[in-house]
Amino acid sequence: QSALTQPRSVSGSPGQSVTISCTGTSSDVGAYNYVSWYQHHPGKAPKLMIYDVNKWPSGVPDRFSGSKSGNTASLTISGLQADDEADYYCCSYGGSNNLVFGGGTKLTVL
Amino acid sequence: QVQLVQSGAEVEKTGASVRVSCKASGYTFSNYYIHWVRQAPGQGLEWMGIINCSGGSTSYGQKFQGRVTMTRDRSTSTVYMELSSLRSEDTAVYYCARGSWYRGDYWGQGTLVTVSS
Repeated sequence: QSALTQPRSVSGSPGQSVTISCTGTSSDVGAYNYVSWYQHHPGKAPKLMIYDVNKWPSGVPDRFSGSKSGNTASLTISGLQADDEADYYCCSYGGSNNLVFGGGTKLTVL
Repeated sequence: QVQLVQSGAEVEKTGASVRVSCKASGYTFSNYYIHWVRQAPGQGLEWMGIINCSGGSTSYGQKFQGRVTMTRDRSTSTVYMELSSLRSEDTAVYYCARGSWYRGDYWGQGTLVTVSS
């Protein structure tokens, strides 16, 4: 199973919005509404930000939102804050009892 | 509060095996799954597999089939991940994560496994 495709990096200024894409195939992202997004600050444990495409875990601000169209899922972060600077990973159920991660996107807050 | 506490860093020789533990607390252990995910230096997250903490059934990523074994001990609310035939490419931080089959909502602190010859 190949990794999902994410841009290597994105950037934005405080207060702006950024969108991170996650492209898979009709066998994973396109087939199931089981896309999740994780924020990972280096040296810390990853944190679940979005699950089931567009649902928020308790405690995650609604500045983070998820969506999906066809084989591509997206994470949008609005009102960028300095602490949002981190690596972001998408993850999708890939069928056949497998999960697959994206390659990760480094978000820089300018 | 939900906590997953992993065992400490390990240094192993090429060809050896390593076992990492993940002790859960703050919730009903058998009601959830535990995933194992790793991150090699400079690389992204990689899913290794999952164990059902109730019945003990497992699913492993294709890349790890035949080399990884995940088990659980309900009496101590601990999950174990053993990786055998270690090679240098297995040097990574290994994480456990509690959740449903499709996501990990609480993560352990990570365990660094270094494989050297």
